[in-house]
Amino acid sequence: KNEVEQSPQNLTAQEGEFITINCSYSVGISALHWLQQHPGGGIVSLFMLSSGKKKHGRLIATINIQEKHSSLHITASHPRDSAVYICAADPMDSNYQLIWGAGTKLIIKP
Amino acid sequence: DGGITQSPKYLFRKEGQNVTLSCEQNLNHDAMYWYRQDPGQGLRLIYYSQIVNDFQKGDIAEGYSVSREKKESFPLTVTSAQKNPTAFYLCASSRWGLAGTINSYEQYFGPGTRLTVT
Repeated sequence: KNEVEQSPQNLTAQEGEFITINCSYSVGISALHWLQQHPGGGIVSLFMLSSGKKKHGRLIATINIQEKHSSLHITASHPRDSAVYICAADPMDSNYQLIWGAGTKLIIKP
Repeated sequence: DGGITQSPKYLFRKEGQNVTLSCEQNLNHDAMYWYRQDPGQGLRLIYYSQIVNDFQKGDIAEGYSVSREKKESFPLTVTSAQKNPTAFYLCASSRWGLAGTINSYEQYFGPGTRLTVT
């Protein structure tokens, strides 16, 4: 069993829909990262959070440390949001390596 | 502008040849990393470096080598010993935490190099 699991693996939605991507992890963490990988392959960091909630534009990330679960929400989704969204856990007993989820491929149709 | 550059974007090589992938950053970051990405899989760490002239193996270091002679540069050599070298390779950098924990900082990624070996 992977230490970081994302769901769903693939998600197709219509423009304007509210999107939720989930990330569950099984290790104690000091932080959880959300990243976006564009179709061309480039990766950008969206959020790094260790508690509560963060918001940037139409993107919202939440984390529940007790339940070892994080969600990424996109409000008023747009075709330009189509990308792979990746979560990565920063384990407390780190040997300096992040534990990466496999990613969720999101397609937003106009 | 600050950032990370990788070159080339696409690279083709014959089996049995070594190939070196370039990674340069001007973010003044101490830590640099090399990841491999295969279709449908998460990123896997090949090597990382915390400071100049020092680097550590990641999960899949076999068949790869790196050097860190300058803070800005962290080239990766894919050797002929790497059994399945065809993949997408990503370089990243980050600040290095005062407590020695690099994971508390965001990683900044380069655009990647897609290597095909035939």
